[in-house]
Amino acid sequence: DAGITQSPRHKVTETGTPVTLRCHQTENHRYMYWYRQDPGHGLRLIHYSYGVKDTDKGEVSDGYSVSRSKTEDFLLTLESATSSQTSVYFCATLLGGTGELFFGEGSRLTVL
Amino acid sequence: AQTVTQSQPEMSVQEAETVTLSCTYDTSESDYYLFWYKQPPSRQMILVIRQEAYKQQNATENRFSVNFQKAAKSFSLKISDSQLGDAAMYFCAYRSAQGAQKLVFGQGTRLTINP
Repeated sequence: DAGITQSPRHKVTETGTPVTLRCHQTENHRYMYWYRQDPGHGLRLIHYSYGVKDTDKGEVSDGYSVSRSKTEDFLLTLESATSSQTSVYFCATLLGGTGELFFGEGSRLTVL
Repeated sequence: AQTVTQSQPEMSVQEAETVTLSCTYDTSESDYYLFWYKQPPSRQMILVIRQEAYKQQNATENRFSVNFQKAAKSFSLKISDSQLGDAAMYFCAYRSAQGAQKLVFGQGTRLTINP
């Protein structure tokens, strides 16, 4: 295991409220990612980070922002949650050399 | 942009038999990695097998093997002697060997094992 912890694991919130999901890793991996998983779409990349304070957009970044102030923490923020952001969110880190991504256990977010 | 396509939303197989899951991808790159991930009901993403594009030999991990056809851009997963614990969603994924190190996933195939 790459030592990835996501919090919270489950959250129910209302439309228009801000939400922050946290990903914490203990492996000192350089790359970190946020994906969302929806039926029929597989996993789609929201944002990723290639170092402290270095982030970039993925294919479904609208409505999301990220921050990485420390190597071990990567935060995903929904500034104003919408029902279309109801999903399961996965954090992942990249183990250098092998190209394999390690995943957290996922965070299920429901926006009512 | 690279894309990955899994054309079989669902598959089923009898326990102890063999099943093949299909995956095709689109890329203009010559150097890349391909992966199959398994997602059981626990939701955890588990790496099943990986293939480097520069290797002609197909990867094998115990009962799991791939048929990598680089020219056809095809990367199928064969599961031999299927077991009940193989029931899961299976995702094919692509990663470039250069650049942003992003993993691109297919839509997934739900595999059911019939006892």
